[in-house]
Amino acid sequence: DTAVSQTPKYLVTQMGNDKSIKCEQNLGHDTMYWYKQDSKKFLKIMFSYNNKELIINETVPNRFSPKSPDKAHLNLHINSLELGDSAVYFCASSRKGTAYLGNTIYFGEGSWLTVV
Amino acid sequence: SQQGEEDPQALSIQEGENATMNCSYKTSINNLQWYRQNSGRGLVHLILIRSNEREKHSGRLRVTLDTSKKSSSLLITASRAADTASYFCATDKIDQFYFGTGTSLTVIP
Repeated sequence: DTAVSQTPKYLVTQMGNDKSIKCEQNLGHDTMYWYKQDSKKFLKIMFSYNNKELIINETVPNRFSPKSPDKAHLNLHINSLELGDSAVYFCASSRKGTAYLGNTIYFGEGSWLTVV
Repeated sequence: SQQGEEDPQALSIQEGENATMNCSYKTSINNLQWYRQNSGRGLVHLILIRSNEREKHSGRLRVTLDTSKKSSSLLITASRAADTASYFCATDKIDQFYFGTGTSLTVIP
């Protein structure tokens, strides 16, 4: 069974459209994330949710809105898509761990978004 | 910035050689981790080293951590073609994980 699954895998859409990417984890984790990976492979955190509550919102345009209906799901909705939004978006999850014990983060396979 | 920066950006070696990649970071950390990303796939955890550890081994992987220099290195010994991937270091503070741009490793058979 896939631990972190996200859909769709590929998405090609026109500028100005609104699209959503869905993510689900079956690991029982409390924390979920969205990362954006650009063409240079730089992986930047966008959002972090712990038990349905937003705990990190990096400098992301408000066209990006995460929605967490329950702690196993974190969807990403993007309004008014722009060319610069083309990237790979990764969903991930982790346990809520202590600072000393550390944590590992589990990634989905990515969603390739191309805005034309 | 909390993010790690890997060096070199790209590395090409022959099968059987060792590969060393480095990571530098700017703020204090609790742990440092290394992840691997195969082309077209998500990142997969390789190894974690705690801030009070200096060296850690896992199979063909050896990780060092120098908190005074805010740097870490990942050594892959006896490399194989299947090790071809991008390698990222990640710094974490409780539930926040920050990655860099990675080192792209190519192992030539």
